Formats: sequence, C-alpha cells, structure tokens
Amino acid sequence: AQSVTQLGSHVSVSEGALVLLRCNYSSSVPPYLFWYVQYPNQGLQLLLKYTTGATLVKGINGFEAEFKKSETSFHLTKPSAHMSDAAEYFCAVKGAAGNKLTFGGGTRVLVKP
Amino acid sequence: GAGVSQSPSNKVTEKGKDVELRCDPISGHTALYWYRQRLGQGLEFLIYFQGNSAPDKSGLPSDRFSAERTGESVSTLTIQRTQQEDSAVYLCAGSGTSPLTGDTQYFGPGTRLTVL
Repeated sequence: AQSVTQLGSHVSVSEGALVLLRCNYSSSVPPYLFWYVQYPNQGLQLLLKYTTGATLVKGINGFEAEFKKSETSFHLTKPSAHMSDAAEYFCAVKGAAGNKLTFGGGTRVLVKP
Repeated sequence: GAGVSQSPSNKVTEKGKDVELRCDPISGHTALYWYRQRLGQGLEFLIYFQGNSAPDKSGLPSDRFSAERTGESVSTLTIQRTQQEDSAVYLCAGSGTSPLTGDTQYFGPGTRLTVL
C-alpha cells in the first residue's frame, strides 16, 4: 500500500521568497515520485519526477525536489517565487512495479506581491 | 492529437440520470487511467486500462461506475443513476511504453460533473 502526505493545504509566500512544499510518502516497494502542478481550470502538468539515480531532481519553471529515502520525503522547492507560481501542487507516488498514482491532498500556493 | 482531450468539459445533470464522460488519449499511449478529484481534495484513482483490458478496477466506488476502452484509443466512463456525491472533476491520463515516457502520466483537462 502507498500513501502520500502533503503538509499544509495552503501556503502563502511573498514574490521572490523561497517556496517549500513538503511531501512525505510511504511505499512498500521502491517508489517513483512525482510533483504535478494544476493551474485554475486546467489539468495536471508534470513538474518533475524521481525514478532512479540522482536524488536531486530538477524540473520545469525553476523547481527542484530531493528524494530522501531515510526521511521518506520528496520536498519541492523553488528559490524565488514568481506570481505565475500561484497554483495547486500535488505530490504523487507510484510503486516501481505498479501503475496507478497515489496522490497527496494538494497544497495551494498563494504568491503575494 | 497533441494532448489528452476530454469531453464534455462541463456536465450538469439531475440526480438519478446516467452520464458518459469521454477521454481521448495521446496517440500511442497504451495505458489509460481515470481519476476523480472532489472539491478541495487530491485525486482518487478509479480504473486503469492497458490496451482495452482493465487489470485494475479497484478504485471504482460502486457498481454504478463502469468504463470501457476501444482498442488503445478512446475511453468512456459511465456513471449510472448519478448521486450528488458523484459531483467532482473526472480526470483522464495516459502513458506510453517508451522507457523515457512510460512512467509519466499525461493528464487531460478534466470533466467537471455537477449533480443537482
């Protein structure tokens, strides 16, 4: 069984400030980990993913995430928030041999000018 | 097409009516998934197709929900005798078999279903 916990359903950051979104997972098999972003009235867009190899993963729009097996975490960061980063962000896990994604509850990011 | 398409984009129906939601995945994507997103919540897995067979239906919430897929293309999710708790955004995703893309699911824009 797999599960994902995203700490904080809403995060407010100032433009130019660090964005940090927390994700912890549980998985009985080596996980594949994903971050998706959802802009208003749109589908989900992949930001980045970890499958194997380097644990620090860089994605689109300046985001990156680090897989820490010992902490069962895959936190998402961006050094400097932009107004266009306002959206909802979802962390998801998939077992390497499985198919379906298990999602966290999502974190809505508000960027203040 | 260039991306995953879903229709209709919005559907308002009365309690007790049947609805059909359609998903047209990216050409060549052999795997297809349906998810449900209730207001303010994360996505819940409903069903997974590999080709036109469905090896995992574990997320379908009741026997009022069913889905089918024609070959490796269009899929239809049917909800019979809709209830108000069925109101949600229904998202479809597909993934290919290439080692480069096989782990990534590409999502459509969703169908927003409102049951009155």
